[in-house]
Amino acid sequence: GAGVSQSPSNKVTEKGKDVELRCDPISGHTALYWYRQSLGQGLEFLIYFQGNSAPDKSGLPSDRFSAERTGGSVSTLTIQRTQQEDSAVYLCASSLRVTGNSYNEQFFGPGTRLTVL
Amino acid sequence: DQQVKQNSPSLSVQEGRISILNCDYTNSMFDYFLWYKKYPAEGPTFLISISSIKDKNEDGRFTVFLNKSAKHLSLHIVPSQPGDSAVYFCAASALYTGANSKLTFGKGITLSVRP
Repeated sequence: GAGVSQSPSNKVTEKGKDVELRCDPISGHTALYWYRQSLGQGLEFLIYFQGNSAPDKSGLPSDRFSAERTGGSVSTLTIQRTQQEDSAVYLCASSLRVTGNSYNEQFFGPGTRLTVL
Repeated sequence: DQQVKQNSPSLSVQEGRISILNCDYTNSMFDYFLWYKKYPAEGPTFLISISSIKDKNEDGRFTVFLNKSAKHLSLHIVPSQPGDSAVYFCAASALYTGANSKLTFGKGITLSVRP
């Protein structure tokens, strides 16, 4: 079956430009996460969506970052006025509905490598 | 402030021997711990997990040990195989205490298994 897909796989942009990164989660997964991995670092949580609940935006590093999830499926992460420190691999993950008493595995996509020149 | 620490960046072991990957955490709210494996150009894949009510979880060649008092966990792979060569990430969540499934990751350790 289809896993989590992300596009583009690679994106090179100039400082100051806006970029959009797309994530297609596994069908039926109501929870969706964005993480990023900067060079030499672990994965850093950015934002989390579950169903129609308000997203957890606590990991977004600045107001230049935003994300939306339309129709409870596809998600787009937007970075405005990109900076060189935004260069990283941006990973999306999805899982079944999160409950307070069980863990549902997060399945990761292959990531989008963003390079800001 | 790193809440999940993997202090060794790399580990090299001989095929057939045991690989021991270590991880330390600082946040006492963490109550669920996971190991992910990552190959180049792919997303991480879930390997094994343990909740804080246990001190050991085993799945085939993989065993995770949790020492809550020391805030330390380790992943044992035995016997190690060349196909195990990858980057291994330790991750933690305040799943039960915080009803929060977002994961906090360590920086990862690159395991190389020599034939």
